[in-house]
Amino acid sequence: DGGITQSPKYLFRKEGQNVTLSCEQNLNHDAMYWYRQDPGQGLRLIYYSQIVNDFQKGDIAEGYSVSREKKESFPLTVTSAQKNPTAFYLCASSWDYSDGYTFGSGTRLTVV
Amino acid sequence: GENVEQHPSTLSVQEGDSAVIKCTYSDSASNYFPWYKQELGKGPQLIIDIRSNVGEKKDQRIAVTLNKTAKHFSLHITETQPEDSAVYFCAAHLTGGGNKLTFGTGTQLKVEL
Repeated sequence: DGGITQSPKYLFRKEGQNVTLSCEQNLNHDAMYWYRQDPGQGLRLIYYSQIVNDFQKGDIAEGYSVSREKKESFPLTVTSAQKNPTAFYLCASSWDYSDGYTFGSGTRLTVV
Repeated sequence: GENVEQHPSTLSVQEGDSAVIKCTYSDSASNYFPWYKQELGKGPQLIIDIRSNVGEKKDQRIAVTLNKTAKHFSLHITETQPEDSAVYFCAAHLTGGGNKLTFGTGTQLKVEL
């Protein structure tokens, strides 16, 4: 079955450490996105990529980095520069010429 | 850029009643308006969408209406059931700025028995 997979589901990080969240899709979608969700809030765009080897900053990119070396993969690194990284992170993908997003099941990151 | 406001933030209805969630958007060039349902601990799922050349769309108990002049769109759920309880997000998409959606802040719907 086609879909989008995020791993791990839960992640714990010590302060000062970088962590990488995985996002893989087998839908052959061109575009991929990372969103952050905090309790009681909407989805805020961190980074997005329209094609391989290209990506753009979203609204809250500071303290995050991404890469898009393969069409099916869009990993997100939460760096130690991110002051408040505890949140629920959602990855999504879509066709470049269509508009519907398919979301993954999310990764809950907790800083301990 | 686009700004999407969503109301109410919480909504409680009795089973069998209807629920309505409203969103407004700021950019008149926006042309695609999806609605997502998010259950606890899961990613959002697309439940219905509408494009700017259509005023209303219905799928069983769910319908969406769009008023381009007023720049608002609404989600209507009829005959609500307990499994409808979730957080609902509206979104708006603007062509020409990459395929990006701007999301509302969400509505927590609770369907009570």
